[in-house]
Amino acid sequence: GNSVTQMEGPVTLSEEAFLTINCTYTATGYPSLFWYVQYPGEGLQLLLKATKADDKGSNKGFEATYRKETTSFHLEKGSVQVSDSAVYFCALRGGADGLTFGKGTHLIIQP
Amino acid sequence: SAVISQKPSRDICQRGTSLTIQCQVDSQVTMMFWYRQQPGQSLTLIATANQGSEATYESGFVIDKFPISRPNLTFSTLTVSNMSPEDSSIYLCSVWGEMNTEAFFGQGTRLTVV
Repeated sequence: GNSVTQMEGPVTLSEEAFLTINCTYTATGYPSLFWYVQYPGEGLQLLLKATKADDKGSNKGFEATYRKETTSFHLEKGSVQVSDSAVYFCALRGGADGLTFGKGTHLIIQP
Repeated sequence: SAVISQKPSRDICQRGTSLTIQCQVDSQVTMMFWYRQQPGQSLTLIATANQGSEATYESGFVIDKFPISRPNLTFSTLTVSNMSPEDSSIYLCSVWGEMNTEAFFGQGTRLTVV
């Protein structure tokens, strides 16, 4: 079946540091890949997505590239801010319509 | 986009009782999804609810424990039956937007079973 593995946190960084959150997946066929974010006290919301190999999703300074050869979809940001503190979930949509999620990475940005 | 209203937002329940969670969407959708997020864990799909047919349950989830209703294209309920402390989780409702490229989620129901 489908599965998503992402680095577990918490990840603590200083403001303006470079961020990478690793995500790898196992799936049959050609899944769509997503990063969702949950800010403190808020619901889950889409951060970015990619639907095919070599696609790059981007939003709010975050980027992730769909790498089929390494089955990865790592999340990156060049300079993080305190406001980026949240829980980040990598997810995939395979043949079925539900999503398969990773365990989530709690990111803490210190000023 | 899709706006999802979920009720209740939280509840504390006695073991052995049941709780029904409601999910209302601001547009008509074919499928609605129910997820569970156990403490410190990821979101796990419980079932897919289609209007006019039985819900489809994922491995490890059964209808007797998590009965689902889907009376129309904008509403669904999930019941957590005969609760035990292991059922303490956040339960979320989700739908795909009209472009079918983004999933939207309710705010979740935080359930504590004592």
